[in-house]
Amino acid sequence: SAVISQKPSRDICQRGTSLTIQCQVDSQVTMMFWYRQQPGQSLTLIATANQGSEATYESGFVIDKFPISRPNLTFSTLTVSNMSPEDSSIYLCSVEGSDGGTDTQYFGPGTRLTVL
Amino acid sequence: GNSVTQMEGPVTLSEEAFLTINCTYTATGYPSLFWYVQYPGEGLQLLLKATKADDKGSNKGFEATYRKETTSFHLEKGSVQVSDSAVYFCALRAGGYNKLIFGAGTRLAVHP
Repeated sequence: SAVISQKPSRDICQRGTSLTIQCQVDSQVTMMFWYRQQPGQSLTLIATANQGSEATYESGFVIDKFPISRPNLTFSTLTVSNMSPEDSSIYLCSVEGSDGGTDTQYFGPGTRLTVL
Repeated sequence: GNSVTQMEGPVTLSEEAFLTINCTYTATGYPSLFWYVQYPGEGLQLLLKATKADDKGSNKGFEATYRKETTSFHLEKGSVQVSDSAVYFCALRAGGYNKLIFGAGTRLAVHP
């Protein structure tokens, strides 16, 4: 399985500011995903990021609020823009790998964001 | 649409007790099914998976069998340890889609 790191691991931000979260993978992967986990909740997919193309956003998420970059096959960033307390969540990136022939997603450690 | 339903937690057990966490799903076609575990303060780790009916996934003493007739993928362990305390997520990946759909998660607390 891929080794995935995220920066920062946690942050406390002020309302109205933006934060960029980085996701680094130790191998080249085609697809990367960004998820949000609100406090005490399950995971919700924000968008899928393929290298060389625009990210595909899920219903309820828009590019102006969550711009994503995917400059190469090992790296991606997610920006949370114009933050409000409702954006306080854990943000996780994941990558898809093949495990015994099955497409399987592996997750980074997450970025815990608190917005005041 | 596709969805996953898990039993509500928290589940509180004594060490060495038997664990069952129920998971049922709704999906078109033949999804792949997964259990992920989230230990306190950490990200998600893949625990086990199954890709077709009657497959049994297993890892670290945990097992789950893909039951198409009951659309279920219940997680079981014969003897839990304190170190198993975590939140467990059932998830599916429907055929032709990369998106994982997660259940609400079930918190397990194991006491000595």
